[in-house]
Amino acid sequence: QSALTQPPSASGSPGQSVTISCTGTSSDVGGYNYVSWYQQHAGKAPKVMIYEVNKRPSGVPDRFSGSKSGNTASLTVSGLQAEDEADYYCLSYADNNNWVFGGGTKLTVL
Amino acid sequence: VQLVQSGAEVKKPGASVNVSCKASGYTFNYYGVSWVRQAPGQGLEWMGWISASNGNTNYARKVQGRVTMTADASTSTAYMELRSLRFDDTAVYYCTRAIRGNWFAPWGQGTLVTVSS
Repeated sequence: QSALTQPPSASGSPGQSVTISCTGTSSDVGGYNYVSWYQQHAGKAPKVMIYEVNKRPSGVPDRFSGSKSGNTASLTVSGLQAEDEADYYCLSYADNNNWVFGGGTKLTVL
Repeated sequence: VQLVQSGAEVKKPGASVNVSCKASGYTFNYYGVSWVRQAPGQGLEWMGWISASNGNTNYARKVQGRVTMTADASTSTAYMELRSLRFDDTAVYYCTRAIRGNWFAPWGQGTLVTVSS
């Protein structure tokens, strides 16, 4: 199973919106509504921000939203804040009870 | 809900390592546990999953044959054993609860495994 494709970096100024893409295939992203997104600050464990494409766990700000079209899922962070600066990873369920991560995107708040 | 992992390990190439993950705050055998690793400066890599209710497992092709995941419901603890360690197995290893089989929360604090001669 190949890793999902994410841009290595993204950036935006405070208050702006940024969208991070995650491209897979019909065997993973396109085949299931089981895409989740994880935020990882340096030296910390990942934290789920979005699950099942567009659902937010309790406690996650509504500035974070998710969507999917075909084989590409997206995470949008609106109203960027300094604390949003982190690495973001997408995860998709894949055929035959496998899971596959994206390569990760480093989000910089300018 | 919390997952607490065992401490850092240093191993020689060819050795085995066993990492534990003790769960609390939820009914252990209602969920699965996945293991994910992260090499220094690299991204997240899914290693495998175990059902805490019946012990069924599924392993990533990359580690299949070298990894065994187990779960002990009596102590709410999951274990991951990786054998025939290589230098490129050096990584932080995380356990995480698998919810509805498709998303992971929370995560353990991570266990650094260093493979060094």
